[in-house]
Amino acid sequence: GNSVTQMEGPVTLSEEAFLTINCTYTATGYPSLFWYVQYPGEGLQLLLKATKADDKGSNKGFEATYRKETTSFHLEKGSVQVSDSAVYFCALKRSPNSGNTPLVFGKGTRLSVIA
Amino acid sequence: EPEVTQTPSHQVTQMGQEVILRCVPISNHLYFYWYRQILGQKVEFLVSFYNNEISEKSEIFDDQFSVERPDGSNFTLKIRSTKLEDSAMYFCASRAPDRVGDEQFFGPGTRLTVL
Repeated sequence: GNSVTQMEGPVTLSEEAFLTINCTYTATGYPSLFWYVQYPGEGLQLLLKATKADDKGSNKGFEATYRKETTSFHLEKGSVQVSDSAVYFCALKRSPNSGNTPLVFGKGTRLSVIA
Repeated sequence: EPEVTQTPSHQVTQMGQEVILRCVPISNHLYFYWYRQILGQKVEFLVSFYNNEISEKSEIFDDQFSVERPDGSNFTLKIRSTKLEDSAMYFCASRAPDRVGDEQFFGPGTRLTVL
């Protein structure tokens, strides 16, 4: 079946450090891939997405590239800020998808950035 | 900016009791979802709902669960007779019509504790 595996947290970094959160997936066909972020007390928000191989999603300084050969979608940011402290979820939507296709999530990785 | 809201934020109940979790999706959205996350585990899909009927449901969504959109604004999840293992964070999500986009917008969640 479809599944997502992401690195265990928590991850603690100093401000301006480089961030990588690993995510690999198992799926049939060509899924769409997503990163969601959850700030304290809020719902999950879409951070970025990629819908086909070699696509790069980017937003707010975060990037992730859809790598079909390694079935990965690692999240990176060159210089993290305290405001990036949150829980990050990798997710996929299977293919082919209809309007109501659900998301398949990983466990989430908690990131804490200290000044 | 419109957002998905959920009430209550935290619900404590006794095993065997019925609970109703409430969600108000974004007003022009047509697709609705419930997910849950047991502490330390993955976010799991429960059910999707479109055009006043269930589109898809997971193995978790057994006869103890039901969903309803009673008045065109609320979207509820009912658990008829709660079990200890139903303790989790429950997330509601909604999505706009296809022509607008396919992003799912999530609420902040309801933490359900079954004693």
